[in-house]
Amino acid sequence: EPEVTQTPSHQVTQMGQEVILRCVPISNHLYFYWYRQILGQKVEFLVSFYNNEISEKSEIFDDQFSVERPDGSNFTLKIRSTKLEDSAMYFCASSHRDYSYEQYFGPGTRLTVT
Amino acid sequence: ILNVEQSPQSLHVQEGDSTNFTCSFPSSNFYALHWYRWETAKSPEALFVMTLNGDEKKKGRISATLNTKEGYSYLYIKGSQPEDSATYLCASIMDSNYQLIWGAGTKLIIKP
Repeated sequence: EPEVTQTPSHQVTQMGQEVILRCVPISNHLYFYWYRQILGQKVEFLVSFYNNEISEKSEIFDDQFSVERPDGSNFTLKIRSTKLEDSAMYFCASSHRDYSYEQYFGPGTRLTVT
Repeated sequence: ILNVEQSPQSLHVQEGDSTNFTCSFPSSNFYALHWYRWETAKSPEALFVMTLNGDEKKKGRISATLNTKEGYSYLYIKGSQPEDSATYLCASIMDSNYQLIWGAGTKLIIKP
């Protein structure tokens, strides 16, 4: 069964460094998402992406964040200058069609900013 | 600030018993309600996506209902099994911004 994959599973970085989190969505899916969960808190929506552009983004998704689908298979989340408060589990998801369809989640990347 | 609330926060249920829990969400501008099952060390797994008031969906022993006018959904598990132990998350989408707003989850523990 197709699944969403994410790399790396754990990333440790120093404050101020740039990180790129990678995701490979399910191949025939059209909508892509990034979420994060800070330890002990709710899952938070970051951004959705469709047709090679951002569809929706939350207040969390400021100028420090960007997303890209560089080659038709990967979907990346870049954080330009990480802060301590960016430490969280980051989940990528994809869905066949729009927001009224099930989303399939990857296993997550745990980002630790020191 | 829009909020999705789930209750109870955690629940211990004897194997074989049936149980249910609640998700409350903003009723205005409702678009869709998602239920996910999240086992420790795994990814959230989609259970249901519901869009119509009065909708009822079923997958095996798990079912869900939706009331969009009053802003709540119930998830039911019939004849709980140990493998049902997980955190059950709901998330609501409004048609004003199409962002999935998540509840904190109900952690279900099935006692053998």
